[in-house]
Formats: sequence, C-alpha cells, structure tokens
Amino acid sequence: GAVVSQHPSRVICKSGTSVKIECRSLDFQATTMFWYRQFPKQSLMLMATSNEGSKATYEQGVEKDKFLINHASLTLSTLTVTSAHPEDSSFYICSAETGEQLYEQYFGPGTRLTVT
Amino acid sequence: DAKTTQPPSMDCAEGRAANLPCNHSTISGNEYVYWYRQIHSQGPQYIIHGLKNNETNEMASLIITEDRKSSTLILPHATLRDTAVYYCIVPNSGNTPLVFGKGTRLSVIA
Repeated sequence: GAVVSQHPSRVICKSGTSVKIECRSLDFQATTMFWYRQFPKQSLMLMATSNEGSKATYEQGVEKDKFLINHASLTLSTLTVTSAHPEDSSFYICSAETGEQLYEQYFGPGTRLTVT
Repeated sequence: DAKTTQPPSMDCAEGRAANLPCNHSTISGNEYVYWYRQIHSQGPQYIIHGLKNNETNEMASLIITEDRKSSTLILPHATLRDTAVYYCIVPNSGNTPLVFGKGTRLSVIA
C-alpha cells in the first residue's frame, strides 16, 4: 500500500525558534497533501491543503505566516512552524492522496512537537 | 461534511466481533461513507469505504442500511491491536480533505 513518512518523529525546540517537518510520499506521487494538528485527547484538525507547485490553502484560524507550507515536488511537502511557542506543542500529521480513490488518504506517522 | 454521530467509547472482548455504529442521517445520494482508525500516537489508517452495498476487505466489513442513514463497521475477530479510535466520515462531494469528528474509542479487552 501507499506509504507516507514524516521526519522527524519527535522534536523539542525552544520558544522563539523555528521547526521544519517533512512529509514524503515514498512510493507514489501526491499532487495534494494535507496537514493536520492534534492536541491531546482531541480529534485531528485540518490546518491546510498543500498543492504541488502552488500556494497552500489554509483553514480558518490557521496563520499562514506562522505555519509555512511548501510543496515543491510531487513527493515532498514541508511544514515550518515559525517562532514557536509552547501552545504550538502538538502532534502534527500529514496525509497524501494517491489520486486513485477519492478521499482515500494515506497518513504519515505524525511528528510530536514540544516547545519549551 | 455530512454530520456523523458515533458513540464515544465501546469495549469488546478479544476474539469477539466488534460492531461500531455510525449515524449519518443527512447523507446525500452520492456521498460515500469512509472509516479510518487511529492507534494511539500514530497517524490514522484507512479501513474501508462504501456507497450503498455492503463491503468487505481484509480488515473489516461495512454494513450500510438500505436508507443509507446509518452504517456499522465490523471487525470480525477483534485483537488487542485493534484498540484505537475509529472515525466514520462522510466527505462532501468534491471536497477532498477529510474532516474528523470525535470518533469511537474502541478498547479490546483480553
């Protein structure tokens, strides 16, 4: 089946610094990738839709200047959390569509970000 | 997305069938029902989807009522590794991002 990886799996950073999270589709090309955030004991919340070669579409309430998304190739999307604050500590998950089946998204294993 | 309603939690004995219900009374004729699950601290995993007919794959079976207002995901022989949060999702047509509700937390007990 389709495999999506994320790197790093865990990261701890200091408040005010920036952190980049990579999402890769390993065995398929993904024109569209999605970024979600999940706080403890809560469901996944969609942050943005990332389209290869174009600007990402952000959900209401998500600051595009704080959460920079780049989808430069058909297998890689990156999320950069800029000027991180402790409230940005969360589980960040990406997903990608294969394009073969609508809505059949494959999810990465997630990245746990802790901002101290 | 069409609203779905799931019980917040369920228990199931190991080896028994786990039947997870989902109500989607506002579903429209061309909307699919998708099921995903999320094991603790992992990304969600696709399980199965259907439109009208019942579906079965290596993971589970999906039973959709004739009026399509509800469905049941069946794990025929639950194992401890099936302990997870199960999400029933009815995406809007033409809107590809999946929107996750609260799901059902299934606990499989030895």
